[in-house]
Amino acid sequence: EFHLVESGGGLVQPGGSLRLSCAASGFNFNDYYMDWVRQAPGKRLEWVGRSRNKIKNYTAEYAASVKDRFIISRDESRNTLYVQMNSLRPEDTAIYYCARDDGGTYGGWGQGTLVTVSS
Amino acid sequence: DVVMTQSPLSLPVTLGQPASISCRSNQSLVHSDGNTYLNWFQQRPGQSPRRLIYKISNRDSGVPDRFSGSGSGTDFTLKINRVEAEDIGVYSCMQATHWPRTFGQGTKVEIK
Repeated sequence: EFHLVESGGGLVQPGGSLRLSCAASGFNFNDYYMDWVRQAPGKRLEWVGRSRNKIKNYTAEYAASVKDRFIISRDESRNTLYVQMNSLRPEDTAIYYCARDDGGTYGGWGQGTLVTVSS
Repeated sequence: DVVMTQSPLSLPVTLGQPASISCRSNQSLVHSDGNTYLNWFQQRPGQSPRRLIYKISNRDSGVPDRFSGSGSGTDFTLKINRVEAEDIGVYSCMQATHWPRTFGQGTKVEIK
């Protein structure tokens, strides 16, 4: 069984920045693609972005709604996934989950961390 | 992006009775590799999503066999044979055939 634990959420003003972390354990973190998925209040789940695995040089991809504002990265030594969120907007308010990609599916999710963008 | 449409959005059920949720996509979900990457997730109140079904009908280990998935192409169904109290929550379908991955709106299952 593996675990994903997000942290770093909180209240931030519009235009501000926040960095979320996702600590992974119980599997070889470097081998897997990892995604960020969010859920705004009362809305459907939304894919935010992806970090490919080590073989793919941890390259990232982003949803159009966050491209050029969010940056996804990893720290191999800490088995941790990050998303640096800049120029935050009220519509970025959501619970942010990290999830492990198991080839066309998500084999596990973290518990989520709440980000609130409000003045 | 592929649009996933679930119905109903709210499903009041009687304990012990069956329940069925529909998920439709606006494009075929058959991948060029022959697989259909249609998943179902359960979100109990206050919890994160938990995968129930992947590739249309494959049930995760630990998922009760009262849950089953079926369908093909653009039309999919999640069925609960006999609803139990622990089944209340929101059920979402997700396609991973086309990029980006997209989700249905979620169906809230509640006890009558």
